[in-house]
Amino acid sequence: EVQLVESGGGVVRPGGSLRLSCVGSGFKFDDYGINWVRRISGKGLEWLSNINWHGGFITYADSVKGRFTISRDNAKNSVYLQMNSLRAEDTAVYFCARRSTVGDFDLWGQGTLVSVSS
Amino acid sequence: QSALTQPASVSGSPGQSITISCTGTSSDVGDYDFVSWYQEKPGKGPTMIIHEANRRPSGVSNRFSGSKSGNTASLTISGLQAEDEAYYYCCSFAGSNTFVCGTGTKVFVL
Repeated sequence: EVQLVESGGGVVRPGGSLRLSCVGSGFKFDDYGINWVRRISGKGLEWLSNINWHGGFITYADSVKGRFTISRDNAKNSVYLQMNSLRAEDTAVYFCARRSTVGDFDLWGQGTLVSVSS
Repeated sequence: QSALTQPASVSGSPGQSITISCTGTSSDVGDYDFVSWYQEKPGKGPTMIIHEANRRPSGVSNRFSGSKSGNTASLTISGLQAEDEAYYYCCSFAGSNTFVCGTGTKVFVL
């Protein structure tokens, strides 16, 4: 089955860190760029970061630049999102999404919930 | 990188047609045809229903159609069905390998 599965979410205090993982299966993982997108309740989807197929080209949204770091390990069919200096406004469901050849997101995971609260 | 603006909710009766708008700027929706639409149902991740503004992936019902004019993209659902009740989001390429997505629209089938 072609799928992406996120993990690593949880409850963390403001200022804390979390590392999210995204594992792909059923397709040639190292052929695709992977993105992280989050859904904030009442605010919609927010694109966060993109990493290309070999990890050599990375971009971030301004809202997370300097705090979040995306990386990948193609040997493990995995992409990671290291999140530091977390804030209450980072509370969201975090999705990883496969970027298609035409630039959209043609496969998504089911999401992992991150809650930043004291 | 301001979010694309969508109406919070749209409703319609079974069989009717509804349209959801997605308004951006000349730096995203207005500058690129890479606008996509996603359907999200409870407990599941989003699924793509329109890409490149008006193209439907294989397997997606032809009741879903997309268009774009200027800084606004639109998603039309024709012949509304109960199973269409869900959240819908748009996303657009915004240049320099970045994207911007929408505020989301809840579709209610009356």
